Amino acid sequence: QSALTQPPSASGSPGQSVTISCTGTSSDVGGYNYVSWYQQHPGKAPKLMIYEVSKRPSGVPDRFSGSKSGNTASLTVSGLQAEDEADYYCSSYAGSNNFYVFGTGTKVTVL
Amino acid sequence: QVQLVQSGAEVKKPGSSVKVSCKASGGTFSSYTISWVRQAPGQGLEWMGRIIPILGIANYAQKFQGRVTITADKSTSTAYMELSSLRSEDTAVYYCAGTIVYTFDPWGQGTLVTVSS
Repeated sequence: QSALTQPPSASGSPGQSVTISCTGTSSDVGGYNYVSWYQQHPGKAPKLMIYEVSKRPSGVPDRFSGSKSGNTASLTVSGLQAEDEADYYCSSYAGSNNFYVFGTGTKVTVL
Repeated sequence: QVQLVQSGAEVKKPGSSVKVSCKASGGTFSSYTISWVRQAPGQGLEWMGRIIPILGIANYAQKFQGRVTITADKSTSTAYMELSSLRSEDTAVYYCAGTIVYTFDPWGQGTLVTVSS
């Protein structure tokens, strides 16, 4: 099972928006509405930001939003803030043989 | 909500095994499956396998089949991940994560396993 493809880096100035893509196949991202996104600060455990493509857990700012089209999911962070600078990973359910696959990760820099 | 607390850092010799624990508190252990995810230094996240504690059924990523064993003790709300035949490439932070509806949340704090001669 290959990792989902994410851009290595993305950046934006405070207040701007940044969108991160997550490309898989019809066996994972395209086949299920079970894409989730995780934020990871250095030395910390990942934190759930989006689940089931576009749902936000309680406590996650509405600046974070998710979507999916075909085999590609996206995470958008609007109104960038300094604390949004982190690594972001997508994940998708991949069926009962492979179960789960993560993305390659994207480092978001707030300029 | 469930909190997951993992055992401490380990240093192991190549060829040996390591067993990491993940204890759940503050919630219903049986409501979750528990997955294990690892992250090598400077690298991304990699799913290793999972267990359904109430059934004792484990599933593993193909890459780790035959080398990883995931178990759970319902009486102590603790899950375990044992990785054998360790090599230097297994040096990583190992996380446990509760999984509901195909989503990893919450996460343990991580356990650093260093494989070095």
